[in-house]
Amino acid sequence: SYELTQPPSVSVSPGQTASITCSGDELGDKYACWYQQKPGQSPVLVIYKDTKRPSGIPERFSGSNSGNTATLTISGTQAMDEADYYCQAWDSTTVVFGGGTKLTVL
Amino acid sequence: EVQLVQSGAEVKKPGESLKISCKGSGFSFTNYWIAWVRQMPGKGLEWMGIIYPSDSDTRYSPSFQGQVTISADRSVSTAYLQWSSLKASDTAIYYCARPITTRLMDDGFEIWGQGTVVTVSS
Repeated sequence: SYELTQPPSVSVSPGQTASITCSGDELGDKYACWYQQKPGQSPVLVIYKDTKRPSGIPERFSGSNSGNTATLTISGTQAMDEADYYCQAWDSTTVVFGGGTKLTVL
Repeated sequence: EVQLVQSGAEVKKPGESLKISCKGSGFSFTNYWIAWVRQMPGKGLEWMGIIYPSDSDTRYSPSFQGQVTISADRSVSTAYLQWSSLKASDTAIYYCARPITTRLMDDGFEIWGQGTVVTVSS
């Protein structure tokens, strides 16, 4: 079965750029999306189709996907961005989630 | 307002059956796939399956095939997730979610329910 691998944790200082990676076999041939989940809340879609931002998502969130790696980039990271982030892709008609990355802003 | 509203928290004993619901409003329910996602305590997101309410076409994750049943009643714009015999390991939060477009594949899930907490304990 298809697998997506994320680092368990990433740390960033406020105002700096955070990058969270998601690796999978030929992931660049699929569309990747990203979710933000804060404690006690439902996930929020922040990037879909590799690079698109849903309405209401700040411009500081961006995405890329090439080769075997998709990347979520948060520019000018704010304290409110501290959360768990999950990548997701479709493998045929099956959805696959990455294991999640805890982003700490310190 | 486009939203998915899920049924309330459940506390069940092992071996009992359960059916939880997810009601859509503010959009054409029959035109969108509805997915179910599990999140065990302190763990990540796991995709369980997806249904197209218009014709009840359903796809399951191999990990959940045969373990749960996904259904929908388009007349009341509601999707369901059910178990015939719960186990303690079914303790989790269960989310329903709708893709950003009417396509089955390639898109992310933009609309999420608030989650249903299911606790299975003797």
